[in-house]
Amino acid sequence: EPEVTQTPSHQVTQMGQEVILRCVPISNHLYFYWYRQILGQKVEFLVSFYNNEISEKSEIFDDQFSVERPDGSNFTLKIRSTKLEDSAMYFCASSYGRTDTQYFGPGTRLTVL
Amino acid sequence: ILNVEQSPQSLHVQEGDSTNFTCSFPSSNFYALHWYRWETAKSPEALFVMTLNGDEKKKGRISATLNTKEGYSYLYIKGSQPEDSATYLCAFTGTSYDKVIFGPGTSLSVIP
Repeated sequence: EPEVTQTPSHQVTQMGQEVILRCVPISNHLYFYWYRQILGQKVEFLVSFYNNEISEKSEIFDDQFSVERPDGSNFTLKIRSTKLEDSAMYFCASSYGRTDTQYFGPGTRLTVL
Repeated sequence: ILNVEQSPQSLHVQEGDSTNFTCSFPSSNFYALHWYRWETAKSPEALFVMTLNGDEKKKGRISATLNTKEGYSYLYIKGSQPEDSATYLCAFTGTSYDKVIFGPGTSLSVIP
């Protein structure tokens, strides 16, 4: 069964460093999402991406964040200058249609020191 | 401010008991309501996507209903089993945006 994959599974970085989290969505899906969950808090929407552009972003997704689909298979989330409060589990998800089931990847745990 | 609420926050039931929990969401500009099952150390697993008022969906012992006019959805688990222990999340999408708003989840523990 097709699945969403994410790399790395765990990333440790120093505050102020740039990180890129990678996702490979399911191949025929058209909608892509990033979410995060800070430990003990609820899952938060970051951004949705459709037709090679951001379709929606939350207040969390400020200028420090960017997303890209560089080659038709990968979907990346870049954090330019990480802060301590960026430490969280980051999930990528994809769906075929806007209201279709979203399939989640296993997540990347980002730890900012 | 759009908010999605879930109740109860946590629930402990005996194996074999049936249980249900609630998701409340904005009743205006409704587009879709998702239910997910999330086990510790795993990624959320989609259970249902519901779009129409009055929708009822079923998957094995788990079913869900949707009332978009009053802004709530119920998730039912019949004959709970220990493997049902997980956090159950609902998520709301409105008509005017692609943002998905998650509820805080209901943590279910099924005691053998």
